[in-house]
Amino acid sequence: NAGVTQTPKFRVLKTGQSMTLLCAQDMNHEYMYWYRQDPGMGLRLIHYSVGEGTTAKGEVPDGYNVSRLKKQNFLLGLESAAPSQTSVYFCASSYRVSPYEQYFGPGTRLTVT
Amino acid sequence: AQTVTQSQPEMSVQEAETVTLSCTYDTSESDYYLFWYKQPPSRQMILVIRQEAYKQQNATENRFSVNFQKAAKSFSLKISDSQLGDAAMYFCAYRGPSGTYKYIFGTGTRLKVLA
Repeated sequence: NAGVTQTPKFRVLKTGQSMTLLCAQDMNHEYMYWYRQDPGMGLRLIHYSVGEGTTAKGEVPDGYNVSRLKKQNFLLGLESAAPSQTSVYFCASSYRVSPYEQYFGPGTRLTVT
Repeated sequence: AQTVTQSQPEMSVQEAETVTLSCTYDTSESDYYLFWYKQPPSRQMILVIRQEAYKQQNATENRFSVNFQKAAKSFSLKISDSQLGDAAMYFCAYRGPSGTYKYIFGTGTRLKVLA
């Protein structure tokens, strides 16, 4: 099993450009999450999904959109990138039953200039 | 709202010694889940240990163990016989009961292991 994979691993964008980050998991997990990690701030939840076709806002959703058309995939979109979105992005997934441990992807380092 | 606090931004330990990383949290729930994750320089987040709040016994995983004090809302991680490979950022995380979905992470503790 590949676990949780993220594409791409690195990306540089200019302000105003758009892009989509892809997260895929092969563990048949119901729940999927997108986080951003900034120095000194831990992981902050952007959006999450509790099942195919459903999404919900997390702590810092502004400037991002998500879609979960298939159970195994969770896409994070930036419509108009801003320098404040420079960060490392992590995708995670978990089962819908206890103990709810999350499995993380390797992260995507995004720089917006 | 729930919060997770890691008050030690950085810790150091000699190889083969024992170190304890602190984590406190705030919640009004009685049922919840706590986790410690390790993030080495490779950036990959790895689960170290988990604790279900309804379990009174402290979780252990080889050299890693926790001291779970529910009344004090404290969840510390003890690493015994520290190894160079233990050097990493460690994050404490909280998840509420069934029916909730969000995880709250602390800001992390950077652990240095000295040879």
